[in-house]
Amino acid sequence: DTAVSQTPKYLVTQMGNDKSIKCEQNLGHDTMYWYKQDSKKFLKIMFSYNNKELIINETVPNRFSPKSPDKAHLNLHINSLELGDSAVYFCASGRMEKLFFGSGTQLSVL
Amino acid sequence: AQSVAQPEDQVNVAEGNPLTVKCTYSVSGNPYLFWYVQYPNRGLQFLLKYITGDNLVKGSYGFEAEFNKSQTSFHLKKPSALVSDSALYFCAVINNNNDMRFGAGTRLTVKP
Repeated sequence: DTAVSQTPKYLVTQMGNDKSIKCEQNLGHDTMYWYKQDSKKFLKIMFSYNNKELIINETVPNRFSPKSPDKAHLNLHINSLELGDSAVYFCASGRMEKLFFGSGTQLSVL
Repeated sequence: AQSVAQPEDQVNVAEGNPLTVKCTYSVSGNPYLFWYVQYPNRGLQFLLKYITGDNLVKGSYGFEAEFNKSQTSFHLKKPSALVSDSALYFCAVINNNNDMRFGAGTRLTVKP
């Protein structure tokens, strides 16, 4: 069974659209995260959720909003997509001492 | 601010040779340092970590890293590289806000 799974794997969409990326973990972790990996492979943390509470919010545009319906899920909603949002988005869970990552969602905004 | 730097974008080694992927850190206080590996089309996988204790840390797949306080380095090493080690390697540090900051990544290519 996949420990951290995110869908879709690929997402191609037009500028201005609203899209969501789903993430689920079956590891029983309390904390989940979203990371953005840009074209230069640089990873930046976007959000983390601990027991439904947002505890990190880096300088991310408010077009991005994480939604956690329960401890096992942390979905990423993106409104009014822009070209610069094109990247690979990774979900992760666990404690900072050891993170488990999903396989990534490659978002392409046209 | 806590940060790590990976000075090399690309490292090429021949199979069977030792490999080193470099990482230097800038932290206040005691650093919590990590190495992750990313295979193509996959998420990052934890390799090893240094929290405290022995300066030489052993991790997955035969990798090890040496914490060097005087040189503020945490280089990743393996005595004998395999073609299957070819991947993207990230050094990381936990910062004061308790979130993980990654380096820019180093692409390792092991040639047969």
